[in-house]
Amino acid sequence: GNSVTQMEGPVTLSEEAFLTINCTYTATGYPSLFWYVQYPGEGLQLLLKATKADDKGSNKGFEATYRKETTSFHLEKGSVQVSDSAVYFCALSDPGGYQKVTFGTGTKLQVIP
Amino acid sequence: DTGVSQDPRHKITKRGQNVTFRCDPISEHNRLYWYRQTLGQGPEFLTYFQNEAQLEKSRLLSDRFSAERPKGSFSTLEIQRTEQGDSAMYLCASSLETSNQPQHFGDGTRLSIL
Repeated sequence: GNSVTQMEGPVTLSEEAFLTINCTYTATGYPSLFWYVQYPGEGLQLLLKATKADDKGSNKGFEATYRKETTSFHLEKGSVQVSDSAVYFCALSDPGGYQKVTFGTGTKLQVIP
Repeated sequence: DTGVSQDPRHKITKRGQNVTFRCDPISEHNRLYWYRQTLGQGPEFLTYFQNEAQLEKSRLLSDRFSAERPKGSFSTLEIQRTEQGDSAMYLCASSLETSNQPQHFGDGTRLSIL
């Protein structure tokens, strides 16, 4: 079945540092890939998405590129802010059928001033 | 677009009691999903509705769980005879039917079993 593996946290960075959160996936066919962010006490918010190989999703300074050859979708940001502190989930959706989403376990990011 | 709304935000109940949660999806979304999220984990799929039809259920959804979407709008998730292991965040999401549309999540209902 489908699965998503992402790096374990927590990740602690100083403000303005470079962020990478690794994500790899296993899926049949060609899934869509997503990064969701969850702030404390809240639901998940879509951060960015990519629907086919070599697509780059970007939003709020975050980027991730759909790499089919390495089955990866790593999240990057050039300069993190304290307000980026949250839990980040890598996810994929079934390419057909009902498009249910399979999530990774999440990576907690803490940015310190 | 008022977003996905879930009620209540928090529910505390004693083991063995029944609980019901409600989800109001984004109005034009005909797909609705329920997920369960335990502490430190990502959400896990429970069930899916397209309009009023429940088209898929996870093996995680034991016979104590039932979900409905009677008119294809709001949905309810009921848990009967709650157990300690049911303590979790229950998330609802909705999306359009067209392919590659992302799911939009509510803020969830946090269930605590005493």
